[in-house]
Amino acid sequence: QQPVQSPQAVILREGEDAVINCSSSKALYSVHWYRQKHGEAPVFLMILLKGGEQKGHEKISASFNEKKQQSSLYLTASQLSYSGTYFCGTDGNNRLAFGKGNQVVVIP
Amino acid sequence: DTGVSQDPRHKITKRGQNVTFRCDPISEHNRLYWYRQTLGQGPEFLTYFQNEAQLEKSRLLSDRFSAERPKGSFSTLEIQRTEQGDSAMYLCASSSTWKTSGMYPDTQYFGPGTRLTVL
Repeated sequence: QQPVQSPQAVILREGEDAVINCSSSKALYSVHWYRQKHGEAPVFLMILLKGGEQKGHEKISASFNEKKQQSSLYLTASQLSYSGTYFCGTDGNNRLAFGKGNQVVVIP
Repeated sequence: DTGVSQDPRHKITKRGQNVTFRCDPISEHNRLYWYRQTLGQGPEFLTYFQNEAQLEKSRLLSDRFSAERPKGSFSTLEIQRTEQGDSAMYLCASSSTWKTSGMYPDTQYFGPGTRLTVL
């Protein structure tokens, strides 16, 4: 079942912080975050596992609340390169169900 | 390894024609996935393979769609008798069930996609 992402869009100035959220109506075992720029493939950012383990490639932090079936991605001191659409994917039966995305625009 | 590659990057076809797309996964990866993405939406799962076995197909995948991964390496996705509603970005991703160099297990890495336009 498709996770719900909010807010739909965020506009922030360079250096500002933002939080984007992903929630599911079913139990989550892992949450995968991707960022996609226009016309490009989704790029893996981070995986959050049940039990609190977190693995990622970039200096973007995230949390995973298993009880609430939610994950949040924290964009701290945002850079222009953070612009794009962020998708969360929730793990079900060896495949991912993606939300509709959070569009993030960082302006100078 | 340079990542997941897909060919062609763009395909324009007329309604009713057949099209075939190719995906070459990361060489160490045993799982391969196909997704479809339309404007304003996240990727939608179509099917996945573990080695050469097709383990799951989405209900989105009508009889006009077929996918193969004959030797457990590259995969093809064929759409027969294309319709205008098939216009989308077709994404391929691969993953490994074990840790590979610099990558996490069960993490899907996407290719650049094939953009299909059906006229």
